[in-house]
Amino acid sequence: GQQLNQSPQSMFIQEGEDVSMNCTSSSIFNTWLWYKQDPGEGPVLLIALYKAGELTSNGRLTAQFGITRKDSFLNISASIPSDVGIYFCAGQLTGGSQGNLIFGKGTKLSVKP
Amino acid sequence: GAVVSQHPSRVICKSGTSVKIECRSLDFQATTMFWYRQFPKQSLMLMATSNEGSKATYEQGVEKDKFLINHASLTLSTLTVTSAHPEDSSFYICSALGFLAYEQYFGPGTRLTVT
Repeated sequence: GQQLNQSPQSMFIQEGEDVSMNCTSSSIFNTWLWYKQDPGEGPVLLIALYKAGELTSNGRLTAQFGITRKDSFLNISASIPSDVGIYFCAGQLTGGSQGNLIFGKGTKLSVKP
Repeated sequence: GAVVSQHPSRVICKSGTSVKIECRSLDFQATTMFWYRQFPKQSLMLMATSNEGSKATYEQGVEKDKFLINHASLTLSTLTVTSAHPEDSSFYICSALGFLAYEQYFGPGTRLTVT
C-alpha cells in the first residue's frame, strides 16, 4: 500500500532547541496534516496544508507543503517540555477517497528540561 | 469547535463478550467517521470508514462481522467488537471528518482489554 516515510523516528532534545521533522512519499498528495498525540489520548490536529508551497504557522509550529507535493516538514521553535509527544504526518492522496488519510509512523519527541 | 468524544475511555471485558464503543461529534455534524486501531508504539491503522445512513467500508483484513459499525445519525457512530478475544485488546480511536472535508478530528480513544 501507499506509505509515508516519516523521520526521524525519535528525537531527544534540550529545552529551547528547535526541532524539525519531515514526511516524504513517492506519491502525490493534495493535503498534508500534522497531528500530535499524547500518551493514552487521540491525535490532535496541529496544522493543515492544502496547496503546494504553502507555509503555515501555529504558534511556535511551522509546517510546509512541499513544492513537489510529495513531502512536508514540521518545525517547532524553542521547544518546551509540553512539546513531548508523538507527532504524525498524514496525507490525503490525489485521487484517493475523500477524507481518507495515510499516516506516517510518527516521530517521538522527548524534551529535556 | 470540532470536538469528538468517545465512550467509554477504558473497558475491560471477558473473552466471548461484546463491547460497544461510541463516537460522537459534539459540535458539528459528521457524515463520515473513521475507526482506527493503534498498537503500542505504532501508528494508526484504519479499520473502516463509517458513512451516515449506509454500510461501513472496511479495510482489507478487517472482519466486518467481528467489528460491527453503525452510523445511525450525523453525530454518532458505534463500533461493536463482537465475541472479543484477548488479541482484540488495543487502543481504538475514532475520528470525524470536519467541515473542510479533509481534516479529521479525533476522539480521545478507548482502551479495550479483553481478559
